[in-house]
Amino acid sequence: EAGVAQSPRYKIIEKRQSVAFWCNPISGHATLYWYQQILGQGPKLLIQFQNNGVVDDSQLPKDRFSAERLKGVDSTLKIQPAKLEDSAVYLCASRLTRGTGTGELFFGEGSRLTVL
Amino acid sequence: TQLLEQSPQFLSIQEGENLTVYCNSSSVFSSLQWYRQEPGEGPVLLVTVVTGGEVKKLKRLTFQFGDARKDSSLHITAAQPGDTGLYLCAGLNAGNMLTFGGGTRLMVKP
Repeated sequence: EAGVAQSPRYKIIEKRQSVAFWCNPISGHATLYWYQQILGQGPKLLIQFQNNGVVDDSQLPKDRFSAERLKGVDSTLKIQPAKLEDSAVYLCASRLTRGTGTGELFFGEGSRLTVL
Repeated sequence: TQLLEQSPQFLSIQEGENLTVYCNSSSVFSSLQWYRQEPGEGPVLLVTVVTGGEVKKLKRLTFQFGDARKDSSLHITAAQPGDTGLYLCAGLNAGNMLTFGGGTRLMVKP
């Protein structure tokens, strides 16, 4: 079974530029997450989708970050304009279980962003 | 926002030693998961604990969920260099939000 695919793996941009990350979850997984992991810290949830609807985006900096999951499959996360503090690894994860449960999150390898 | 605090943040030990990592919160979680993350990769699930007081064993790893479902611990017996990595606890709330702790970076020296 194919895992969660993310691209690009690495991206270097200058501040105020824009960047987009793409995620293809495991087939059939209804729930998709985007996490931001700054070096040396645990992942911080940015946004959670259930199919193509947003479940939680309370920690997404909406003035510069946006995310969508059209058709309830692939997802993109965009940053515009980027700031130095956005340098981090952006992890996408998907989960099969709906509703309450203890379903495992499957993570992609992440997209490492460096903002200069 | 529910917070999970992990301690210690860093741990460097010799092969064969035992260690315990703690994960504490003031919030109650419906379940708690432990993940391990290696450099350049995403976290991988080790275990999920659901019931207060539950203890689960995975070879040399023992996981415990507190009676009040607010805290958890991970104990590794006779650590090996292959155990080196970032250990993350994550709490799942009733809204299916998974919140991660800050992580414990473990290094096991041969």
